[in-house]
Amino acid sequence: KQEVTQIPAALSVPEGENLVLNCSFTDSAIYNLQWFRQDPGKGLTSLLLIQSSQREQTSGRLNASLDKSSGRSTLYIAASQPGDSATYLCAVKPSNTGKLIFGQGTTLQVKP
Amino acid sequence: DAMVIQNPRYQVTQFGKPVTLSCSQTLNHNVMYWYQQKSSQAPKLLFHYYDKDFNNEADTPDNFQSRRPNTSFCFLDIRSPGLGDAAMYLCATSIPRASGKLDTQYFGPGTRLTVL
Repeated sequence: KQEVTQIPAALSVPEGENLVLNCSFTDSAIYNLQWFRQDPGKGLTSLLLIQSSQREQTSGRLNASLDKSSGRSTLYIAASQPGDSATYLCAVKPSNTGKLIFGQGTTLQVKP
Repeated sequence: DAMVIQNPRYQVTQFGKPVTLSCSQTLNHNVMYWYQQKSSQAPKLLFHYYDKDFNNEADTPDNFQSRRPNTSFCFLDIRSPGLGDAAMYLCATSIPRASGKLDTQYFGPGTRLTVL
């Protein structure tokens, strides 16, 4: 059974710092991995999607990497800003199903 | 431009009183999903539709039902809400993998359900 874990559960950094959020999954048979952002009381916004054949994806200050063999993904945020404060969720799509399996998220606070 | 719309954004119901949550999409996507997200927890898939084909998750309680009258709309019916059903309900859409396009799921803003 696929399980997704995100560590740490919460993170607080000063503005301007570069940071890394971690995601691990137990079964390497995945179709893709997706990173989402969720603001308090709101829905999910897709940030980056990495197909199983890819190693990384970049969008602006965000860079997501995928190491399928070790069951790990990271989301790198460069030059963090207070507006980056949110919960970041990692989700994998197993190869044999259409559903997403989510981690519990990392709540990020960027202090001015 | 809203792509996945959920109404209402906030819903209050009484214990045992049936409630319906609505989702509509302007993306013309074949697949629509309903997730339940309790406070500080990961979203949990309840069921999804591939066109008109309904796919229920094995651990989704019978109390939860869904309808998809057309491509654009999908409803979540909770027949007898209990206190444990208070949560954020998220609707999402995607294009099937067979289309060859990116399999990104697009989420709506969610409906927060309170059960009194």
